[in-house]
Amino acid sequence: NAGVTQTPKFQVLKTGQSMTLQCAQDMNHNSMYWYRQDPGMGLRLIYYSASEGTTDKGEVPNGYNVSRLNKREFSLRLESAAPSQTSVYFCATRPGQGGGYTFGSGTRLTVV
Amino acid sequence: TQLLEQSPQFLSIQEGENLTVYCNSSSVFSSLQWYRQEPGEGPVLLVTVVTGGEVKKLKRLTFQFGDARKDSSLHITAAQPGDTGLYLCAGAKGNEKLTFGTGTRLTIIP
Repeated sequence: NAGVTQTPKFQVLKTGQSMTLQCAQDMNHNSMYWYRQDPGMGLRLIYYSASEGTTDKGEVPNGYNVSRLNKREFSLRLESAAPSQTSVYFCATRPGQGGGYTFGSGTRLTVV
Repeated sequence: TQLLEQSPQFLSIQEGENLTVYCNSSSVFSSLQWYRQEPGEGPVLLVTVVTGGEVKKLKRLTFQFGDARKDSSLHITAAQPGDTGLYLCAGAKGNEKLTFGTGTRLTIIP
């Protein structure tokens, strides 16, 4: 089935460790997004990529970096994890102007 | 600053009842979307509304976009346990990325 695949589904990190969250889409969409979801805060945009080769900061980019490896893949890296980065992370893609987002099933990250 | 305010934050009702949830903003949006999210999953798009005053129906769900394109409502008729979930509205201005509301967590009691 076409869609957005995120790995891993769960991860526990110690403060200061690094990791990369992977996202791949097979919908041939140009735009890809990384969001975090926290209780009472809704979905907040971390970074996005309007097309292959471009990335831009969203609402809460501090502590994160991204790479748009190709049209299909958009990764999110935490260089030095902090407890404040404990959250559920969602990758999404959309076909273009006015189009709806298709989300992955999320990565639940806990930083201890 | 939260551009989209959703109310109520939590709602728990009996199966068969009707309900309405709201999405309000002081900003004008070119389009507004509604998503439903179930535990452990990502949000799933339900509908997109683009014209002020527009009404769209999806089985027992009725979505309305305000005349001034600043607010929207979702009405569910004869709620069923399968309607349980987190309902999110999201607005877009032109071709910009979406801004999400904080959501309404709906529980339908059998």
